[in-house]
Amino acid sequence: QKEVEQDPGPLSVPEGAIVSLNCTYSNSAFQYFMWYRQYSRKGPELLMYTYSSGNKEDGRFTAQVDKSSKYISLFIRDSQPSDSATYLCAMTGYGNNRLAFGKGNQVVVIP
Amino acid sequence: GAVVSQHPSRVICKSGTSVKIECRSLDFQATTMFWYRQFPKQSLMLMATSNEGSKATYEQGVEKDKFLINHASLTLSTLTVTSAHPEDSSFYICSAASSVNTGELFFGEGSRLTVL
Repeated sequence: QKEVEQDPGPLSVPEGAIVSLNCTYSNSAFQYFMWYRQYSRKGPELLMYTYSSGNKEDGRFTAQVDKSSKYISLFIRDSQPSDSATYLCAMTGYGNNRLAFGKGNQVVVIP
Repeated sequence: GAVVSQHPSRVICKSGTSVKIECRSLDFQATTMFWYRQFPKQSLMLMATSNEGSKATYEQGVEKDKFLINHASLTLSTLTVTSAHPEDSSFYICSAASSVNTGELFFGEGSRLTVL
């Protein structure tokens, strides 16, 4: 079983829709959870950073972490064409900067 | 967020030559930097962990003599692809941590290497 599972299937949504992405993981030691956005031919950009369980909201973006289920989510409200990108989940344990990445989801927001 | 600069963004070289890629943390000191390789439509593959003032730690299967890493200062790490071959063509990305051991990494823009 891989440490982090993220269904890499592309996701196409109409502009204004809610985008829902998720990852599951197996390592109970993971404490820090990140979502990165990566545009084509660019490096990943840190989008959301959360510690332990709970919700975090930043503008149109909401990150949720459920450690009991080993499940994290990212929601994008009122999606825009500029949100079209690949979204990678990543996580690590305390005292460790070595990230475990999901495969990434390609999201296309159709105008 | 913190800024990590990577240079060059794109390089084309002939087979057998060596190519150096630089990674700089512009507004913070990074004791640890990471080098990744990314194939099209794939996730990031960690190649090595670069620690300032000491030898890099390479992941299993990564040739340390092929991919030379130097972390000479708290703001600069370099990756040199030696005797490059077409199969080394890839997207190379560095990252650096602005805080100690919390996983909050910031990435460079990436360098696309094409070996002819």
